[in-house]
Amino acid sequence: DAGITQSPRHKVTETGTPVTLRCHQTENHRYMYWYRQDPGHGLRLIHYSYGVKDTDKGEVSDGYSVSRSKTEDFLLTLESATSSQTSVYFCAISPGTGNTEAFFGQGTRLTVV
Amino acid sequence: GQQVMQIPQYQHVQEGEDFTTYCNSSTTLSNIQWYKQRPGGHPVFLIQLVKSGEVKKQKRLTFQFGEAKKNSSLHITATQTTDVGTYFCAENTGTASKLTFGTGTRLQVTL
Repeated sequence: DAGITQSPRHKVTETGTPVTLRCHQTENHRYMYWYRQDPGHGLRLIHYSYGVKDTDKGEVSDGYSVSRSKTEDFLLTLESATSSQTSVYFCAISPGTGNTEAFFGQGTRLTVV
Repeated sequence: GQQVMQIPQYQHVQEGEDFTTYCNSSTTLSNIQWYKQRPGGHPVFLIQLVKSGEVKKQKRLTFQFGEAKKNSSLHITATQTTDVGTYFCAENTGTASKLTFGTGTRLQVTL
């Protein structure tokens, strides 16, 4: 498996609180992504990064922000968690442009109560 | 936006039976990738198809890309319990290699 570590692996939080999920890679890949997985929807892209301090929105970015201050770290923040953000979050990395495979982290199961 | 549908959503087979999942897009796909996710696990890349009509095989798995590049299929011959999981197709788009996933097909295999 590619060197990707997500933390925490599980979290329960209350509605309205901020939450930050961390993705750390040791592969020095340029591209990093955050996806969420929900039944019936597959995986959907939240935000992605194409370099340090370079990020852009994905399909379901509302209520989320990201930061990438170092090549190896990509943070996902839920500014004010809602129950609709209960999901499994996957970080992924990719080495380059065009038709390249993605490598996924182990996932973070987030429950907002 | 683009939608990539997969059918069936779920299939339960006896070990040794064949299995096929289909991926259909409303628009022409530039490529198609397939991923497998074991229960409780993370998606793992299986293969990528790029050319119209392309067929690739990996042991008991056969992947096809439609002539019009709007659909794809994954066929597993003689399923085994190790094939259990959810299979996703995905299009890899743009210079940032963003993935647009299909809805997935969950495969259950019993003895």
